[in-house]
Amino acid sequence: QQQVKQSPQSLIVQKGGIPIINCAYENTAFDYFPWYQQFPGKGPALLIAIRPDVSEKKEGRFTISFNKSAKQFSLHIMDSQPGDSATYFCAASKGGSQGNLIFGKGTKLSVKP
Amino acid sequence: NAGVTQTPKFQVLKTGQSMTLQCAQDMNHEYMSWYRQDPGMGLRLIHYSVGAGITDQGEVPNGYNVSRSTTEDFPLRLLSAAPSQTSVYFCASSLGLVGEQFFGPGTRLTVL
Repeated sequence: QQQVKQSPQSLIVQKGGIPIINCAYENTAFDYFPWYQQFPGKGPALLIAIRPDVSEKKEGRFTISFNKSAKQFSLHIMDSQPGDSATYFCAASKGGSQGNLIFGKGTKLSVKP
Repeated sequence: NAGVTQTPKFQVLKTGQSMTLQCAQDMNHEYMSWYRQDPGMGLRLIHYSVGAGITDQGEVPNGYNVSRSTTEDFPLRLLSAAPSQTSVYFCASSLGLVGEQFFGPGTRLTVL
């Protein structure tokens, strides 16, 4: 059972475009939703995270939109740049002793110049 | 601070061989974990530890062993390597169970 479903698997946009990556989750006990960015040959790094008490969070050009009733959250990258080309993972976790992150399968983003 | 370090960067094993992947962190984090990354599969949790002397299984623990004798180190042991264990392995650490996880650079393992 895949607890965090991520789409699309890959995405190609032109520079300046707004790629959107979507994730859906099953478990209503999840209360922490981070996005990680991974460049080739590197480990993932935290990009931005949200908790379900807010519907949107912005950090620079990156925005998470969160829809608690639909159990969905998405990452938007404004004014995308070739340097944003990377693999993006959404994740979810519960609080307390069951707080391990469960990752989506990843989206490979390519931003063309 | 070096952050999370992993050794080796690359390793080739024959089926049946054993080896230990090393992971160390210098951020005094209590929580450490091991993931494997396979194409199209995302990151899957192998084992994790919430502090020295405490370990537990993740989603895909079979064929792997861990121990946590110090806060800094969290080695992952492959008992008898199999081709299905060909993967990229990442170690991560964080202050607590929930929150930002800091990942190491990874170990690319090939089992022939």
